[in-house]
Amino acid sequence: ETGVTQSPTHLIKTRGQQVTLRCSSQSGHNTVSWYQQALGQGPQFIFQYYREEENGRGNFPPRFSGLQFPNYSSELNVNALELDDSALYLCASSSGLLGTGELFFGEGSRLTVL
Amino acid sequence: QQPVQSPQAVILREGEDAVINCSSSKALYSVHWYRQKHGEAPVFLMILLKGGEQKGHDKISASFNEKKQQSSLYLTASQLSYSGTYFCGTEKDSNYQLIWGAGTKLIIKP
Repeated sequence: ETGVTQSPTHLIKTRGQQVTLRCSSQSGHNTVSWYQQALGQGPQFIFQYYREEENGRGNFPPRFSGLQFPNYSSELNVNALELDDSALYLCASSSGLLGTGELFFGEGSRLTVL
Repeated sequence: QQPVQSPQAVILREGEDAVINCSSSKALYSVHWYRQKHGEAPVFLMILLKGGEQKGHDKISASFNEKKQQSSLYLTASQLSYSGTYFCGTEKDSNYQLIWGAGTKLIIKP
């Protein structure tokens, strides 16, 4: 059974640029959620995708957008990067809607915005 | 609103017990507990649902007091492998987003 994988693991961007982060969900999981984790803080929910549709969104501006593909892998896109976007971005997959069970996290993509 | 975790950090000797608390100002549907080691992904520990029982496995257990909107995580006879940051995630309704606490850092010394 393949776990949740994220890419890239680390990246550096400059303010105003755009970034795409990728996540392959665990086999058999149809739900992916994305979190932003600042240093020393808990994860902040960005949004969730269930069967290719956005199914919940946290308090993040529209420049944070995402996609889920037919194989349930997912992308997180962030436009017009700001310094405060520097964080660890975690992807988690699960076999149902949020709240129905265990989340399986990837190890994250660490984004640094200069 | 973000749940409040206490303490922020705790240092124990191997074999000692610890309690980590998670409090919310809102009525809760469920509380989720995860542990994250430095540089690693958060790992699921357990979920407690409204109306559910106290849960546990091995020497880690948790309770959920719905009236007080509080959950507590109990680690007994702590092992070195228990070191890490513990997060609670709270859910106010079924299928709603998880709101995470700021974490409790647990350090276990031999």
